Amino acid sequence: EIVMTQSPATLSVSPGQRATLSCRASQSVGTYLAWYQQKPGQAPRLLIYGASTRATGISARFSGSGSGTEFTLTISSLQSEDFAVYYCQQYDSWPLTFGGGTKVEIK
Amino acid sequence: EVQLVESGGGLVQPGRSLRLSCAASGFTFDDYAMHWVRQVPGKGLEWVSTISWNSGTKGYADSVKGRFTISRDNAKNSLYLQMNSLRDEDTALYYCVKDGSRTWRDWYFDLWGRGTLVTVSS
Repeated sequence: EIVMTQSPATLSVSPGQRATLSCRASQSVGTYLAWYQQKPGQAPRLLIYGASTRATGISARFSGSGSGTEFTLTISSLQSEDFAVYYCQQYDSWPLTFGGGTKVEIK
Repeated sequence: EVQLVESGGGLVQPGRSLRLSCAASGFTFDDYAMHWVRQVPGKGLEWVSTISWNSGTKGYADSVKGRFTISRDNAKNSLYLQMNSLRDEDTALYYCVKDGSRTWRDWYFDLWGRGTLVTVSS
């Protein structure tokens, strides 16, 4: 099983600032990596797939990068609606696995 | 409207069974693999199971293998999860999820239902 590790667990950021979230895989997943956003009481929403491709309707504030075992989600100029929990997920092999999440909170 | 609507959750005793259903609409259901993902309230996400568009391939997390069975009825645009021998640790919100690509290899999730809560307790 590929273990996905996200850091930090919590990120405190001021509105308008940049947030950088990390995701590490225990073995290479190539670019089979997705990012999701989840707000309280809501289902997750796909942000990024293929490590760097934004999903339909996702703001250009969100960008993904990386390959192999190291991945980054960057949120430029945080808006109020961006404060949420973010999960990475590998889909290189079964079992499909998620990271533990990074909570982005208002500083 | 493109949506997934789950049903069938509830309170069940350990060892009993439950069948979840998911009604899909707004997209060509039989073009896509489908998945179940669960989440203990306040915790992270856990993949449960995947089924290919034609039911030819199915996959399960080790934690549910041998107890849960995924199935679909393309004529009814519906996905199912038969859950047997339920355990306390199966308590979670179960999401029905659409695959993001028509390509079998791309198992990311681009449409989620609101979830149905399963509580296993005596």
